[in-house]
Amino acid sequence: QKEVEQNSGPLSVPEGAIASLNCTYSDRGSQSFFWYRQYSGKSPELIMFIYSNGDKEDGRFTAQLNKASQYVSLLIRDSQPSDSATYLCASIPGFQKLVFGTGTRLLVSP
Amino acid sequence: EADIYQTPRYLVIGTGKKITLECSQTMGHDKMYWYQQDPGMELHLIHYSYGVNSTEKGDLSSESTVSRIRTEHFPLTLESARPSHTSQYLCASSPRGRLNYGYTFGSGTRLTVV
Repeated sequence: QKEVEQNSGPLSVPEGAIASLNCTYSDRGSQSFFWYRQYSGKSPELIMFIYSNGDKEDGRFTAQLNKASQYVSLLIRDSQPSDSATYLCASIPGFQKLVFGTGTRLLVSP
Repeated sequence: EADIYQTPRYLVIGTGKKITLECSQTMGHDKMYWYQQDPGMELHLIHYSYGVNSTEKGDLSSESTVSRIRTEHFPLTLESARPSHTSQYLCASSPRGRLNYGYTFGSGTRLTVV
């Protein structure tokens, strides 16, 4: 079992809809969680960080963390075609290195 | 502006050549990492360093080597390039003791070995 699991997708949503990206993790000692966006051929870019249970909002992005269920999600409101990218979930188990999921590819159609 | 720089951005080289991929950061980060990523595939950690004169192999076996003589510089070397080394190589850094910082990635080097 991978430490961080994501559905590879693609997740297809129409422009203006809410995109919901999900991630589960196996190490209960994980403290912090990150969402990175990676456009094709580019390097990953950090877009959200969360470490407390509940929701964290930044513009059109909301990260949700449920430590009891070992579940992290990223909601993108009013999705735009420019949001089409691969979204990587990452955690830090036991204060060690970041562990990345395989990523979910999001396609937003006009 | 503080950042992390990788050179070259693109490299096409013949089999058997020795190559060094450069990575430098101006943020004073103690920790640095090298990842390998094929198109559309997941990131694979191949080397990391927690400070000067500290280097460790990552989760994916790699024929490359790294050195960390200065905090800001973390070069990756392939002694004899092969077509199987064709990939994108990403360098990243993070500060010590700040779990909420995550990693900052460079722009990457796309290597093609012919």
